[in-house]
Amino acid sequence: AQKVTQAQTEISVVEKEDVTLDCVYETRDTTYYLFWYKQPPSGELVFLIRRNSFDEQNEISGRYSWNFQKSTSSFNFTITASQVVDSAVYFCALSEVGAGSYQLTFGKGTKLSVIP
Amino acid sequence: NAGVTQTPKFQVLKTGQSMTLQCAQDMNHEYMSWYRQDPGMGLRLIHYSVGAGITDQGEVPNGYNVSRSTTEDFPLRLLSAAPSQTSVYFCASSYDLDKTGNFQYEQYFGPGTRLTVT
Repeated sequence: AQKVTQAQTEISVVEKEDVTLDCVYETRDTTYYLFWYKQPPSGELVFLIRRNSFDEQNEISGRYSWNFQKSTSSFNFTITASQVVDSAVYFCALSEVGAGSYQLTFGKGTKLSVIP
Repeated sequence: NAGVTQTPKFQVLKTGQSMTLQCAQDMNHEYMSWYRQDPGMGLRLIHYSVGAGITDQGEVPNGYNVSRSTTEDFPLRLLSAAPSQTSVYFCASSYDLDKTGNFQYEQYFGPGTRLTVT
């Protein structure tokens, strides 16, 4: 069975600090997708990134970067120079393609508070 | 495209009442799913569908019913509401092939329905 662990329940940082959100996953499949979603206080789910299991390249998008390491089954998310607008709950999720239905297994989320 | 729409946005039910949460997508996606979000639990899969006429159970299906008579719609029915079903419900749709037959994979979520059962 697949599982996603986000060990950090809540994190507080001061604005402009860098912060890394951890995500560790378990799966038996060799083909899978990993996601990060942001849920701001307004409640909607905002897609941030999708990474497939064959692409271990790290990715950077503005202040956001992701570090995917299959050897440690981790897909960590770093926000550089954090801003108050980054305050949200962040979810890491895993989808096993083999099931053919692309169901997502979510971690429990990390609540990030950026203090001005 | 409107994307994934959900109605209602908010709903209050009394224990034992039944209701249907509506979900629709206009992107011709094959796959649709229902998740519930509870504090500290992340999102958990209730039911999913891989196409019209085909549905299956997820992690937490008890107390819920689904059907998929069209590609566009995937309603979630609460048969007899219980306080334990107080939650935020998200509908999602996804596909795996784009118009040129290339493999893609996107998950689109609706805005959510906040349900309270008293």
